[in-house]
Amino acid sequence: AQSVAQPEDQVNVAEGNPLTVKCTYSVSGNPYLFWYVQYPNRGLQFLLKYITGDNLVKGSYGFEAEFNKSQTSFHLKKPSALVSDSALYFCAVRDPRDSNYQLIWGAGTKLIIKP
Amino acid sequence: GAVVSQHPSWVICKSGTSVKIECRSLDFQATTMFWYRQFPKQSLMLMATSNEGSKATYEQGVEKDKFLINHASLTLSTLTVTSAHPEDSSFYICSASTSFNRGGQPQHFGDGTRLSIL
Repeated sequence: AQSVAQPEDQVNVAEGNPLTVKCTYSVSGNPYLFWYVQYPNRGLQFLLKYITGDNLVKGSYGFEAEFNKSQTSFHLKKPSALVSDSALYFCAVRDPRDSNYQLIWGAGTKLIIKP
Repeated sequence: GAVVSQHPSWVICKSGTSVKIECRSLDFQATTMFWYRQFPKQSLMLMATSNEGSKATYEQGVEKDKFLINHASLTLSTLTVTSAHPEDSSFYICSASTSFNRGGQPQHFGDGTRLSIL
């Protein structure tokens, strides 16, 4: 079965330190990979995506993600965390063969940045 | 660009009433719209996928007569929760996507609707 795993329910980082939010997937073929952020009582905001090309993808708000095909991972990173980065982060994967373009979602990781 | 407007943002109503939630893509044509339900501290649960002009495809376990979805145009989809009961209370989120680039485009989300049934 296709799945996305975010192994950490919560990640705590001090402001100014680098952050990593982990994501691994089990989807056959060459999936499309996405990261979204959700602030309380809000919908999701798109951060970045990997379709093809360079393994390091840069996105909004200084976030980037590294695609690793051999490890089937797509970890989200930021060199220097801000308190305002505190939110819920979701990794999602799409099988390009799915004509409905549905996303397979990870369970989410709560990121807490402490001042 | 790629703005999705969802309305209303908060609804409180009595048990037995029906509630309609609108999802509009403001600056692009959404060939596909998705409706999700999110429980506290949980991930998104896909309820249904709708393509413009055709019937929605519901996920297993989602009652199509309970959650009526209409996608009449490329910019508007509606979800109607019929005869709502307290167990229908939840956070409902819509998203919209285009078929451009063979699905390489991200889904764009509305801000969600908090539904509380008394």
